[in-house]
Amino acid sequence: AQKITQTQPGMFVQEKEAVTLDCTYDTSDPSYGLFWYKQPSSGEMIFLIYQGSYDQQNATEGRYSLNFQKARKSANLVISASQLGDSAMYFCAMSSDNTDKLIFGTGTRLQVFP
Amino acid sequence: DAGVTQSPTHLIKTRGQQVTLRCSPKSGHDTVSWYQQALGQGPQFIFQYYEEEERQRGNFPDRFSGHQFPNYSSELNVNALLLGDSALYLCASSLAGTGTNYGYTFGSGTRLTVV
Repeated sequence: AQKITQTQPGMFVQEKEAVTLDCTYDTSDPSYGLFWYKQPSSGEMIFLIYQGSYDQQNATEGRYSLNFQKARKSANLVISASQLGDSAMYFCAMSSDNTDKLIFGTGTRLQVFP
Repeated sequence: DAGVTQSPTHLIKTRGQQVTLRCSPKSGHDTVSWYQQALGQGPQFIFQYYEEEERQRGNFPDRFSGHQFPNYSSELNVNALLLGDSALYLCASSLAGTGTNYGYTFGSGTRLTVV
């Protein structure tokens, strides 16, 4: 069975600093995708970044990068130059080619302070 | 370009009642998935609709049912509501076959409170 683990219930970071949000996963599927979503207090899940299991390079999208370590089954999100607007819940999720659904972790609440 | 639209945004129901939640997918998307997010938890997959058929289902009882219309919009129905059904219900749309690679577009959800 697939599983996503996020061990950090909450994280604090000062504005303009970088922060890493941890995510480990478990799957027996050979092909899978890893996602990070941001959920502000409004409730909407906002797609941030995607990493395919066969991608050789780590994914980057603006200030977001995904540190993918396949052997360790980790997919950490790095946010550079944090902004006050980055304060939100962050969810790591996984899908596989065998099933077109997302498995989510329990999330990490990020708070950015001035 | 409108994203995913869900209605209503908030709803209060009494235990034992029935509820219908609605979702309009993003323009160009043909697949709709529903998720339940309990307070303090990550979203849990309920089911997915494509071509007006339920294509996949998560570990939810038969009290949860759905429908997809020819215009790709979808409804989630929950019968015999329990207090434990109180949650944020998220709708996500995608284009068939691309969700795994490109993720899904989520709506802002319907917050259901059962009293």
